[in-house]
Amino acid sequence: DAGVIQSPRHEVTEMGQEVTLRCKPISGHDYLFWYRQTMMRGLELLIYFNNNVPIDDSGMPEDRFSAKMPNASFSTLKIQPSEPRDSAVYFCASSPRGTGRGEAFFGQGTRLTVV
Amino acid sequence: AQSVTQLDSQVPVFEEAPVELRCNYSSSVSVYLFWYVQYPNQGLQLLLKYLSGSTLVKGINGFEAEFNKSQTSFHLRKPSVHISDTAEYFCAVSDQKTSYDKVIFGPGTSLSVIP
Repeated sequence: DAGVIQSPRHEVTEMGQEVTLRCKPISGHDYLFWYRQTMMRGLELLIYFNNNVPIDDSGMPEDRFSAKMPNASFSTLKIQPSEPRDSAVYFCASSPRGTGRGEAFFGQGTRLTVV
Repeated sequence: AQSVTQLDSQVPVFEEAPVELRCNYSSSVSVYLFWYVQYPNQGLQLLLKYLSGSTLVKGINGFEAEFNKSQTSFHLRKPSVHISDTAEYFCAVSDQKTSYDKVIFGPGTSLSVIP
């Protein structure tokens, strides 16, 4: 298996533009997590899905952020409109039985810069 | 709610010296505990985990951790570090009864191995 695949690896966009981050989880994993990592706030859980259904989106910072999982092999995180404070590394992770009991497999991340 | 404290934000250590990275979590009856490592420009990967059984847990790359329930700690140790161990290390905890789907990550400890 190729692991969790995220695209793009790097994204530079102007303030106000829409940004879409993509994630392909490991086949057979029932859970998918979106995290944001910054120097100031560390690693934050934004949202997670179980069997394509959003379970907890309490970490989504505001309405500008939305996430979807239309099928078991694809998820998106969208920011619209983007702001400079959204600059961070965004990670997607998948897990066969939830990270609370088992291993999370992380992608390599998308480094987002909003100028 | 669970929380995780990693007292040392940065730990410099000479090559071949031993190292201990400290992790404490807020009190709970039953927890699962994890250590993850993040190499530069990569996602996190699991080093080791404690779910039950022996309180001394061995992981990959020669690392081990000891679960101490009375001190609510899960410190990570390695008897002799290598240059390649330079990375960010994250402790994570989940509550077995209320949040077994997801972990709470600590702020991380940056380990720098000095040649």
